[in-house]
Amino acid sequence: DTAVSQTPKYLVTQMGNDKSIKCEQNLGHDTMYWYKQDSKKFLKIMFSYNNKELIINETVPNRFSPKSPDKAHLNLHINSLELGDSAVYFCASSSPGLAGKNEQFFGPGTRLTVL
Amino acid sequence: GESVGLHLPTLSVQEGDNSIINCAYSNSASDYFIWYKQESGKGPQFIIDIRSNMDKRQGQRVTVLLNKTVKHLSLQIAATQPGDSAVYFCAENPRERTYKYIFGTGTRLKVLA
Repeated sequence: DTAVSQTPKYLVTQMGNDKSIKCEQNLGHDTMYWYKQDSKKFLKIMFSYNNKELIINETVPNRFSPKSPDKAHLNLHINSLELGDSAVYFCASSSPGLAGKNEQFFGPGTRLTVL
Repeated sequence: GESVGLHLPTLSVQEGDNSIINCAYSNSASDYFIWYKQESGKGPQFIIDIRSNMDKRQGQRVTVLLNKTVKHLSLQIAATQPGDSAVYFCAENPRERTYKYIFGTGTRLKVLA
């Protein structure tokens, strides 16, 4: 069973287009995240949702709009795609505050290429 | 391809040797730390964590050391195997409930046969 899944795995699109990436977790976690990993492997948090409420928005352009229809899903919509948006986007989930581990579980990533 | 100067720090070790990967963290208020392993084409995977009230924690073949005085973490891998080849990240959580994890720049571990 896949704990955190993302679709699509690869996304190639033209500059100016609008695209969405979907994420689902079946771990029962209450917090989900989107990260961007650039070509240098630098991993940076973009958004975090807890119980469908946005709790972190790390100065991401407003062309990026996350949507959490329920605790198990966090989708990422990107408007007017730019060349600099090309990266690998990772979804993750966790349940902070539980005694013991506070790890995040990551999805397999979506490689976005903007032409 | 990658440009000069933009490569990840790389650690090359012989199979069977021990590996030590270092990480400097930024926030003295961070109270929880995680080491992740990222294999090619995959998402980061949890290896081991440590809370700030500890200075050492051991797992299976891995040990994490925390030095709060100099804000330094290290990951030691015993008897390194080819399957250990990956990029390793440390991550800090400034306060346990802030949901924000700050990742280090990563170190690529290459295991030489």
